[in-house]
Amino acid sequence: GQNIDQPTEMTATEGAIVQINCTYQTSGFNGLFWYQQHAGEAPTFLSYNVLDGLEEKGRFSSFLSRSKGYSYLLLKELQMKDSASYLCAVSGSARQLTFGSGTQLTVLP
Amino acid sequence: DADVTQTPRNRITKTGKRIMLECSQTKGHDRMYWYRQDPGLGLRLIYYSFDVKDINKGEISDGYSVSRQAQAKFSLSLESAIPNQTALYFCATSDPGRGQGVETQYFGPGTRLLVL
Repeated sequence: GQNIDQPTEMTATEGAIVQINCTYQTSGFNGLFWYQQHAGEAPTFLSYNVLDGLEEKGRFSSFLSRSKGYSYLLLKELQMKDSASYLCAVSGSARQLTFGSGTQLTVLP
Repeated sequence: DADVTQTPRNRITKTGKRIMLECSQTKGHDRMYWYRQDPGLGLRLIYYSFDVKDINKGEISDGYSVSRQAQAKFSLSLESAIPNQTALYFCATSDPGRGQGVETQYFGPGTRLLVL
């Protein structure tokens, strides 16, 4: 089976940097994905990592360590519109995605 | 135009009724998925299909059935709805990634279902 853990809630200030952690235990690994979901809306794809290391996409970066079963999503220069839930998801041996419960990020002015 | 659409967007039904949720996509993807989302539980996979007529059970398939009659359409049925099936339902599609081994899933806007 697969188990994914991420913090339930985080709060940060506009303009700051925030790191959202995700740890996982999985049978088979084909990649780790991060999605953003605003309340009542569909999840939207942010980034993925297949190999160890850092992937950067503008204000968003994602890091993966397969040996530690660990990933993080780094958001820089936070904006109010970044207030959302951030979902960590692992693609396992069957290439299905297993999602964590999500981290609700609140950005304060 | 949305690439993945779901109908209806909102539905209220009564216990014991049969209902169908529809998903259509114009992305040309072979793979389609149905998830439900409940507060605090994240997204859970109900059924998935890798091609027309291919059906696979996900984590929580009991009480649900699906049909994949065409590449672009994947429907989810609740044969006899019960209150604990009240949730937000999402359809998603993916492409095997042209051999790159990475499959990104793209989600529809969701259907909010309330079973009374």
